[in-house]
Amino acid sequence: GAGVSQSPRYKVAKRGQDVALRCDPISGHVSLFWYQQALGQGPEFLTYFQNEAQLDKSGLPSDRFFAERPEGSVSTLKIQRTQQEDSAVYLCASSLEGQGGETQYFGPGTRLLVL
Amino acid sequence: DAKTTQPTSMDCAEGRAANLPCNHSTISGNEYVYWYRQIHSQGPQYIIHGLKNNETNEMASLIITEDRKSSTLILPHATLRDTAVYYCIAARYGNNRLAFGKGNQVVVIP
Repeated sequence: GAGVSQSPRYKVAKRGQDVALRCDPISGHVSLFWYQQALGQGPEFLTYFQNEAQLDKSGLPSDRFFAERPEGSVSTLKIQRTQQEDSAVYLCASSLEGQGGETQYFGPGTRLLVL
Repeated sequence: DAKTTQPTSMDCAEGRAANLPCNHSTISGNEYVYWYRQIHSQGPQYIIHGLKNNETNEMASLIITEDRKSSTLILPHATLRDTAVYYCIAARYGNNRLAFGKGNQVVVIP
């Protein structure tokens, strides 16, 4: 079946621009996660949804980062007034029931470059 | 969650078993050991997880020492497609945040 998809796959933004990154999780998956991966580093947790509820946003680096999942399926990660340090791969993952510790299925990521 | 320590990188011979070590000396009793891998330009992929018993699936085997302070991921017959960064993660089963660390860059050599 279809896996997690993300769009766009690549995004170039000028410093100060707003960007929106989309994640389509596996159909029926309750939980959705966003991670940020800087070059040469492992992914770092940003935020977590169970259905439409954002249960943990402690990893968001600043108030310029905002995530939503209004209908409990597709999610959007928005970054306002992008800065060069926001350049990274943004990964989305979903899991079936959100019980914690379940397998997380990752999308291919969106590579963001802020000039 | 407990910190894990892995080699920065290692090479493995194609067709041989690849043994990937991980230390987690401060792991607590309710923390599982998870392994994910990330092939270049792809998202991480789940491999296997375990608590204290050895586990095996179609991808790999996980051997956890009796004191649970270390574990080894075994890829039984490494192929070139197994070249990836491998992440060993210790996490409580109720924890949704995966702490990846820098991982172990494994290169399978022909």
